[in-house]
Amino acid sequence: QQQVKQSPQSLIVQKGGISIINCAYENTAFDYFPWYQQFPGKGPALLIAIRPDVSEKKEGRFTISFNKSAKQFSLHIMDSQPGDSATYFCAASNEGGSQGNLIFGKGTKLSVKP
Amino acid sequence: EAGVTQFPSHSVIEKGQTVTLRCDPISGHDNLYWYRRVMGKEIKFLLHFVKESKQDESGMPNNRFLAERTGGTYSTLKVQPAELEDSGVYFCASSQGGPYLYLRGNTIYFGEGSWLTVV
Repeated sequence: QQQVKQSPQSLIVQKGGISIINCAYENTAFDYFPWYQQFPGKGPALLIAIRPDVSEKKEGRFTISFNKSAKQFSLHIMDSQPGDSATYFCAASNEGGSQGNLIFGKGTKLSVKP
Repeated sequence: EAGVTQFPSHSVIEKGQTVTLRCDPISGHDNLYWYRRVMGKEIKFLLHFVKESKQDESGMPNNRFLAERTGGTYSTLKVQPAELEDSGVYFCASSQGGPYLYLRGNTIYFGEGSWLTVV
């Protein structure tokens, strides 16, 4: 049973465009929703995270939009750059239950064309 | 400051053999986690240490996997005997002490992973 569903599996965007990756979850006990960025040969690195008490969080060109009623959250990358080309993972956890037991989506491979 | 270090980076072993993966967390990090990603699947949580104690080992697939963290510093993950389906990348991660990572501004830092191929 996949608790966090991520789409699309791959994404190609032109430089300067907007990249959008979507995730949906099932467990209403989840209270922490991070996004990780992974470059080839490296481990995942935290990009941005949100809690369900807010609907949006922005850090630079990266924004998380969160819809608690729909149990969905998404990552928007504005003004996408070739250096953003990487695999992006959404995740969720119940921090009040088991800290660090992150449930990951399957990942989205983003390619930004110059 | 050194990041999370994992060894070996790559390992190829035969089915039935034993492999031991090592993880050195960031200095001072009480929390240590193991995850793995098998081919085509999502990254999955294996277990969580707080210092030398196992806080949550709900993700360990079976008793062929043994994780230890002696003295609350480095950790090892042993697979014995290895099976073909164990092939994948094993990530170690660490974070500072205390609960509720988000509220405390803490972050889980991942290592680069140990690639295991069982043939």
